Amino acid sequence: GNSVTQMEGPVTLSEEAFLTINCTYTATGYPSLFWYVQYPGEGLQLLLKATKADDKGSNKGFEATYRKETTSFHLEKGSVQVSDSAVYFCALRGRDDKIIFGKGTRLHILP
Amino acid sequence: ETGVTQTPRHLVMGMTNKKSLKCEQHLGHNAMYWYKQSAKKPLELMFVYNFKEQTENNSVPSRFSPECPNSSHLFLHLHTLQPEDSALYLCASSQDKSRANTGELFFGEGSRLTVL
Repeated sequence: GNSVTQMEGPVTLSEEAFLTINCTYTATGYPSLFWYVQYPGEGLQLLLKATKADDKGSNKGFEATYRKETTSFHLEKGSVQVSDSAVYFCALRGRDDKIIFGKGTRLHILP
Repeated sequence: ETGVTQTPRHLVMGMTNKKSLKCEQHLGHNAMYWYKQSAKKPLELMFVYNFKEQTENNSVPSRFSPECPNSSHLFLHLHTLQPEDSALYLCASSQDKSRANTGELFFGEGSRLTVL
């Protein structure tokens, strides 16, 4: 079956550092790929998405590129802020229309 | 504002109480979902409704009873819960995947449930 694996957290960085959160997936065909963010005390919000190979999703300075050859969708940001502290979830929607989430990665940004 | 509203935001109940969680979506979506989010555990899908019909039930105990009267409203009826049921319950909605839509989920802010 389909699955999503993302790096274990927590990840702690200083403000203005470069961020990478790794995400790899297993799926047949070409799933749609997503990153969701959950700020403290809130529900999940869609951060960015990509639907086909080599697509780059971007939002709020975050980027992720759909890499079919490595089955990856790593999240990156060049300069993080304290306000980026949250839990980040990688997810896919497969051919069966089921949405699979990774376990989430907690990110702490220190001022 | 995601277009998905959950009430109440916080709920404390005893093990013998009966309560309900409510979710309403204003996005015109056809599918609605209940997820459970517990501390240090992955997000758990509980139920899926598509056009008011239940299409998925992930072996959820019968003390959780969903109801979907129409495509815009979803309820989760709770009775004789256990302390381990304390969690954040998230509602979400989506539109079927198509050429114009990637089928992503839109979540409410959640209902924080504490069972004493």
